[in-house]
Amino acid sequence: QVQLVESGGGLVKPGGSLRLSCAASGFTFSDYYMTWIRQAPGKGLEWVSYISGGGTAIYFAESLKGRFTISRDNAKNSLYLQMNSLRADDTAVYYCARARSRVAADDFWGQGTLVTVSS
Amino acid sequence: DIQMTQSPSSLSASVGDRVTITCRASQSISRYLNWYQQKPGRAPTLLIYAASNLQSGVPSRFSGSGSGTDFTLTISSLQPGDFATYFCQQSDTAPHTFGQGTKVDIK
Repeated sequence: QVQLVESGGGLVKPGGSLRLSCAASGFTFSDYYMTWIRQAPGKGLEWVSYISGGGTAIYFAESLKGRFTISRDNAKNSLYLQMNSLRADDTAVYYCARARSRVAADDFWGQGTLVTVSS
Repeated sequence: DIQMTQSPSSLSASVGDRVTITCRASQSISRYLNWYQQKPGRAPTLLIYAASNLQSGVPSRFSGSGSGTDFTLTISSLQPGDFATYFCQQSDTAPHTFGQGTKVDIK
């Protein structure tokens, strides 16, 4: 069965860094775009970034460009989000999700990992 | 970025009610509109993709319609498990922006 398992969240001080991981199983990972989406406590969903199956196409939300980096390792069936210069407003649950193409819906989501940025 | 506006932000309804949620895009997105359901403490799940296609396993009481800029999610007869928050999302143009959500609770 399809599984997406995020890890790497936790408490970090403002200005710090974290690397989130998403381990995929149950499907051909390289056939899918992968997306990061976040949700601040009590708030709505915010789309963060996607990366194509081969890793050649990447798009970031404008507000996050320069601080966050997305990557994937198809040999390890893993997706990553490197987050630098973290701020309090980056506090959120971070979800990874898969999509069949650039314009497809995110048809399966992981359970999320909580990132808390606080001194 | 394409702005997605959902209405209403919240609604109260009873079991068996017909519920309609609307989503408007700030520019045409063809039919690249998706609907998700989220229950407290859980990840969102896909209900409807490409405006009107029911995701596998989703009950047929859920339906979607629309194209261009105006879209609708309808629940034909609200069931106890449907009390949740619903989000629309456009996947026409990155970033794939979401509406602000509609919380459906018990009247």
